Amino acid sequence: AQSVTQPDIHITVSEGASLELRCNYSYGATPYLFWYVQSPGQGLQLLLKYFSGDTLVQGIKGFEAEFKRSQSSFNLRKPSVHWSDAAEYFCAVGRDSGNTGKLIFGQGTTLQVKP
Amino acid sequence: KAGVTQTPRYLIKTRGQQVTLSCSPISGHRSVSWYQQTPGQGLQFLFEYFSETQRNKGNFPGRFSGRQFSNSRSEMNVSTLELGDSALYLCASSSTDLGEQYFGPGTRLTVT
Repeated sequence: AQSVTQPDIHITVSEGASLELRCNYSYGATPYLFWYVQSPGQGLQLLLKYFSGDTLVQGIKGFEAEFKRSQSSFNLRKPSVHWSDAAEYFCAVGRDSGNTGKLIFGQGTTLQVKP
Repeated sequence: KAGVTQTPRYLIKTRGQQVTLSCSPISGHRSVSWYQQTPGQGLQFLFEYFSETQRNKGNFPGRFSGRQFSNSRSEMNVSTLELGDSALYLCASSSTDLGEQYFGPGTRLTVT
């Protein structure tokens, strides 16, 4: 069965510092991978996605993620964090032909940004 | 294009009542998925509809049901509400079977 693990429940970084949020997945084949962001009281906004091809994918708001098959990871990075990046971040996996329309989410990582 | 819309945004219901939540997908998207989000369980998949048919269902009791209309709009219904049903209910639409999903703002349901 597919699963997603986000090892860090809460991360605090200073504004302007770099950021890396970890995501590990469990899936037999090459999965479809996503990162979403959720601000308080809001829905989820898609940051980026990986389906195939180049393992480094670029997303919105200056985020990027790297797919590493050997480590079953899909970590999210940003070179310089802005105060507006404070939110909850979710990694998700899809692509299971027997499970259309279903994304499996990690538990989320809450990002706090210090001024 | 307009995004996914959900109505109402907030609901307060009493135990034992039933509730209906509505979701309008992005124009042209035929797949609509529903999720329940709680602090304890995180984001859990409820069901997915495509062309008015439920194609996939998560591990929720039969009190949770849904439907989809010919214009792809979807509704979910929860009958005999329990305190544990208090959650943020998110709807997402997609243009492909296994592709990215776009989420609405959610409906915050509080059961008292």
